[in-house]
Amino acid sequence: DTGVSQDPRHKITKRGQNVTFRCDPISEHNRLYWYRQTLGQGPEFLTYFQNEAQLEKSRLLSDRFSAERPKGSFSTLEIQRTEQGDSAMYLCASSLRATDTEAFFGQGTRLTVV
Amino acid sequence: KQEVTQIPAALSVPEGENLVLNCSFTDSAIYNLQWFRQDPGKGLTSLLLIQSSQREQTSGRLNASLDKSSGRSTLYIAASQPGDSATYLCAVSGGATNKLIFGTGTLLAVQP
Repeated sequence: DTGVSQDPRHKITKRGQNVTFRCDPISEHNRLYWYRQTLGQGPEFLTYFQNEAQLEKSRLLSDRFSAERPKGSFSTLEIQRTEQGDSAMYLCASSLRATDTEAFFGQGTRLTVV
Repeated sequence: KQEVTQIPAALSVPEGENLVLNCSFTDSAIYNLQWFRQDPGKGLTSLLLIQSSQREQTSGRLNASLDKSSGRSTLYIAASQPGDSATYLCAVSGGATNKLIFGTGTLLAVQP
């Protein structure tokens, strides 16, 4: 297992376009998280999946954002009608179900909206 | 609402020096605390996980401590090397989803 994988690593898009990111978690991990990180800040929680169920969404996740995790494996994060303020690093993390387990992060997708 | 603070925001040390990074959090009801390393433009690499019942964890030149009652953690790096230069992030987890709440990080530069 090569760890958490994210694709693409970089995305440049024009304002108003839709973008979709993919995350492949560590295979046996049933918890999956999306975070967003802007320059000079720590990552901020966006949403959480336990298997295929989306159990928590941050108020940062406006109605332009949608996330899915079909079949409880990979996950996608879509941003519709992108705005310049969406420019950030989008990070995916996975962990086992127990509350005291370590979270592992992917390399992130750097989004630039021009 | 949980808040995590890291001090200092930036630190520059000569190679070989021992150093301490600090992390504080406002709500002691946590499951665990994790220290991460982040290189520029990259994702997060987990360094150490301290469960809420533990006091410290060690990995190589790294030692992390946790004082849950006072809401504090420290990351001790021994004999620093230029390759240790990175941003170090502290995060606490809690709640039903075990999501992480991060500090803003400490940018470390180790001068050769």
